[in-house]
Amino acid sequence: NAGVTQTPKFQVLKTGQSMTLQCAQDMNHEYMSWYRQDPGMGLRLIHYSVGAGITDQGEVPNGYNVSRSTTEDFPLRLLSAAPSQTSVYFCASSKDGSSSYEQYFGPGTRLTVT
Amino acid sequence: AQSVTQLDSQVPVFEEAPVELRCNYSSSVSVYLFWYVQYPNQGLQLLLKYLSGSTLVESINGFEAEFNKSQTSFHLRKPSVHISDTAEYFCAVSGGFKTIFGAGTRLFVKA
Repeated sequence: NAGVTQTPKFQVLKTGQSMTLQCAQDMNHEYMSWYRQDPGMGLRLIHYSVGAGITDQGEVPNGYNVSRSTTEDFPLRLLSAAPSQTSVYFCASSKDGSSSYEQYFGPGTRLTVT
Repeated sequence: AQSVTQLDSQVPVFEEAPVELRCNYSSSVSVYLFWYVQYPNQGLQLLLKYLSGSTLVESINGFEAEFNKSQTSFHLRKPSVHISDTAEYFCAVSGGFKTIFGAGTRLFVKA
């Protein structure tokens, strides 16, 4: 199993550009989520999904869109990048939405917006 | 709503010394508690978790954490640290489809 994979590993965008961060998992997990990690702030939940076709907002959803058309994939779209979105982005998955299951994290995407 | 407070942002310690990383949480509902570890340039990995039952939980590499309901704490301890334990440690609480993470504690083990 590859686990949770994310592409790209690094990305530099100019303000106003759009892009999609890719996330895929091969563990047949129902629950997937996106976090951003900023120094001194831990991980903050952007969006999550409890299954294909079902998504919901987390703590910091503004400026980001998600969709979940398959169980395996959960892309994160930045509509119009801003310097405040410079961060490290992690995708994670768990067996289902039950809070008792641990999450499995991808290696992260380091995004810089200039 | 849930929140997590990790009381120390950085903890320097000498090799083979004991260490405690402190975590307090608040929640209006029952939650599950986790500690994750992040090594440099990697994603987070589960270290240990408390779901129910015995309040003391252990990991395979010598860490342990104790759930204290009255003090709403879930402190992480290790009696003797190694250089390889240098990493960032995150306390997390889960409830209602969401996991809330603390700000992290950077453990630095010195030779």
